[in-house]
Amino acid sequence: AQSVTQPDIHITVSEGASLELRCNYSYGATPYLFWYVQSPGQGLQLLLKYFSGDTLVQGIKGFEAEFKRSQSSFNLRKPSVHWSDAAEYFCAVGAGNTGKLIFGQGTTLQVKP
Amino acid sequence: DADVTQTPRNRITKTGKRIMLECSQTKGHDRMYWYRQDPGLGLRLIYYSFDVKDINKGEISDGYSVSRQAQAKFSLSLESAIPNQTALYFCATSGWDSQETQYFGPGTRLLVL
Repeated sequence: AQSVTQPDIHITVSEGASLELRCNYSYGATPYLFWYVQSPGQGLQLLLKYFSGDTLVQGIKGFEAEFKRSQSSFNLRKPSVHWSDAAEYFCAVGAGNTGKLIFGQGTTLQVKP
Repeated sequence: DADVTQTPRNRITKTGKRIMLECSQTKGHDRMYWYRQDPGLGLRLIYYSFDVKDINKGEISDGYSVSRQAQAKFSLSLESAIPNQTALYFCATSGWDSQETQYFGPGTRLLVL
C-alpha cells in the first residue's frame, strides 16, 4: 500500500538559514508527489509538484524539491528561510490513477529570529 | 473570491447533535473530497466524489455521510456527533486532467462537547 513518511515532526531553524524537510514514500510505480504548506488558520496551499521529467522542481515562495527514485524521497529545500515560512508542511503522494492523495503526518517549522 | 469555500469556518456542537459542513467550489472541477486533520496524523480521507452520481468511502468514513448536491457542492454530515470527531475538516477539489493535484478550502474547525 502507498504510504508517506515525514520523519521530522518539528524543526526549528534560524531566519536566513537553509532548510530541508524530509519526505519518504512507498509506491510501486512512478509517483505523483506534492508538497503543501498550511499557515496558521489557513487551508493547504500547493508549493510544488512532481509528475515526470526533471527531478528538481521549483515551486512558489523560493522552495524547491528533488525527486530521488533510488531513495524513494522527495525532500523540500529552501536556501534561506524567512520568518513567514513558519507553518506546517505536508508531503503527499498520488495513489495511482485513483484521484486520491496520501498525506504524510506533517512537519511543523518554527523560525527563530 | 476564493475558489473553494467552506461553511461554517468554526462550529461548536454537543454530543449527539446532527451537523452539516458545506463546501462549494467555482473551479469547475468534477472531483471533490472531504478530509479531517488531527495533530500528528496528517490528513485522512473521509469521502470523495468523482461526479454528482459517484460517492466513495475513504479510509475513515464511519460516523459520517455526504451529499453531492451539484457539481459545485459537496456536504459532509455528522449524523450524531461524538467528541472524537473534534477536528479540522477540509474540503478539496481536483479536475480529471489535473494529474491528481488537489485544491483546498480554508477548513472548518469543529468542536464536539
